Amino acid sequence: GENVGLHLPTLSVQEGDNSIINCAYSNSASDYFIWYKQESGKGPQFIIDIRSNMDKRQGQRVTVLLNKTVKHLSLQIAATQPGDSAVYFCAGIGGYQKVTFGIGTKLQVIP
Amino acid sequence: EAQVTQNPRYLITVTGKKLTVTCSQNMNHEYMSWYRQDPGLGLRQIYYSMNVEVTDKGDVPEGYKVSRKEKRNFPLILESPSPNQTSLYFCASSFQGRNIQYFGAGTRLSVL
Repeated sequence: GENVGLHLPTLSVQEGDNSIINCAYSNSASDYFIWYKQESGKGPQFIIDIRSNMDKRQGQRVTVLLNKTVKHLSLQIAATQPGDSAVYFCAGIGGYQKVTFGIGTKLQVIP
Repeated sequence: EAQVTQNPRYLITVTGKKLTVTCSQNMNHEYMSWYRQDPGLGLRQIYYSMNVEVTDKGDVPEGYKVSRKEKRNFPLILESPSPNQTSLYFCASSFQGRNIQYFGAGTRLSVL
């Protein structure tokens, strides 16, 4: 697979446990955030998004929390499965449709 | 099937030999973008296009060119590739820049 996982923060979790992946952003103008999942050898795929007028949004097994005060996002994955192993990164979108991506976190699920 | 298609998936070339990486999307998206992904640096935007004949520089445009003559296609051109352009490249599209982007599978480029 591709070596995009090198040099990334890594989170190892036991199968069935919950995972929390964090992302800090610096651009105060960002008002829309997206979490992407990138599996080895593939392009990033959309997981969940949240607008800045929200604090929390839930999807299927995933929840995103936004704390604008400290410019922090988190992605929570419930009952983590082996298929969740991937690199996860957040993207912030602000004025002029400028998109900024985080460097990502590698999630390793231990069977 | 809605998709973003990049070609080639893998390319090895030599310094100075012009190359083009093609990108095509079948979702009628206005916005298209090219990124490079390097270990420890994440995705960095090279160029983007808001619509046909409208292109703008991203964060790392040096050494690259793009064109948007048709809505569905957004080729990335390296006129004179150099080893520091060895990277993993992704094309993406969305209805507008402030929306979910759909990514291609990536092009692994090695410049010797």
